[in-house]
Amino acid sequence: IAGITQAPTSQILAAGRRMTLRCTQDMRHNAMYWYRQDLGLGLRLIHYSNTAGTTGKGEVPDGYSVSRANTDDFPLTLASAVPSQTSVYFCASSPDPIGNEQFFGPGTRLTVL
Amino acid sequence: GQNIDQPTEMTATEGAIVQINCTYQTSGFNGLFWYQQHAGEAPTFLSYNVLDGLEEKGRFSSFLSRSKGYSYLLLKELQMKDSASYLCAVQDSNYQLIWGAGTKLIIKP
Repeated sequence: IAGITQAPTSQILAAGRRMTLRCTQDMRHNAMYWYRQDLGLGLRLIHYSNTAGTTGKGEVPDGYSVSRANTDDFPLTLASAVPSQTSVYFCASSPDPIGNEQFFGPGTRLTVL
Repeated sequence: GQNIDQPTEMTATEGAIVQINCTYQTSGFNGLFWYQQHAGEAPTFLSYNVLDGLEEKGRFSSFLSRSKGYSYLLLKELQMKDSASYLCAVQDSNYQLIWGAGTKLIIKP
């Protein structure tokens, strides 16, 4: 693989179910991010990781959790999905958090019914 | 609070020039980014400004005035493939990106 990948591409989920969105990058970037994008709103940061082993909360972290066990992977977990979590989720990475462009994965379209 | 403002939608003609404005109020400033996003796709990086002035990159240029909290993206010699949303984002004092809602640019022949 080259760049940053996400899985699944899309998913329909029943409310109350647990779901993990996967994100993998092979660029050896230190920083990784999870955003959600909703119509009419800007990208909103859910969680971030400045380096492997560390994570932080973004603007809208409630209902989501992340882990960063290694440099390449940054999964996002919805413990108990709710309809308001219906969105397009983008994972991104950058060489480091300061002043570098972020490279985005192709996104996961999630629908919670 | 933190706020990024940009027009919701703009229309321009193929071959023309268009300027997309962005104003911001953020807690700290560590640079301003412009991204392009085609419908159904991921955002892709266009430009980064951290100092005042104009940065030119081919048909695209980006300008920054930190004292005015203002930036613009200038697109020249518009092509149909430039039809997309253009996202303005500011890196704040915590080095997080604060994003505008994006400007949808429609190019007409």
